[in-house]
Amino acid sequence: AQKVTQAQTEISVVEKEDVTLDCVYETRDTTYYLFWYKQPPSGELVFLIRRNSFDEQNEISGRYSWNFQKSTSSFNFTITASQVVDSAVYFCALSGMDSSYKLIFGSGTRLLVRP
Amino acid sequence: EAGVVQSPRYKIIEKKQPVAFWCNPISGHNTLYWYRQNLGQGPELLIRYENEEAVDDSQLPKDRFSAERLKGVDSTLKIQPAELGDSAVYLCASSFGTDNSPLHFGNGTRLTVT
Repeated sequence: AQKVTQAQTEISVVEKEDVTLDCVYETRDTTYYLFWYKQPPSGELVFLIRRNSFDEQNEISGRYSWNFQKSTSSFNFTITASQVVDSAVYFCALSGMDSSYKLIFGSGTRLLVRP
Repeated sequence: EAGVVQSPRYKIIEKKQPVAFWCNPISGHNTLYWYRQNLGQGPELLIRYENEEAVDDSQLPKDRFSAERLKGVDSTLKIQPAELGDSAVYLCASSFGTDNSPLHFGNGTRLTVT
């Protein structure tokens, strides 16, 4: 069965600090996809990134970067120089044949960036 | 492009009453999803449509929940009768294509059953 674990329930940082959100996944699939979504207070989930299991290259998009390591089944998300607008709940999610490509979400990490 | 639109935004009902949620997906998106998000948890899929066809409803409690997507566009999710445990946020999402395409979510309907 597929599973996503986000062990950090809540993180609080001061603006301009760097912060890393952890994501550990379990799957029997050899082909799968990993996602990160952001859920601001407005409620809608906003897509941030998708990676497939064959692409372990790290990705950087502005202040956001992602570290995918198959050896540790992790897909961690780092925000550099955090801003108050980054405050939200962040979800890691997994999709693969094992779950009929149903998106399996972790429980989320609430990030609070204080001014 | 206009995003996924859901209504109502909030709904408070007494237990045993019926309730319905409506979703209008992004134009051109053939796949539509209904998710339920309990407090402090990630969303869980209730049902997925590809056009008019419900292709995955394995997590939908069919004794009280029903959904339809007439004409493969708008969708309605209904609960009858509602129970206290149904209190949650109900999220609608859509995507272009099926497997592993990024989902676009609406703002959700927050249901409170008293």
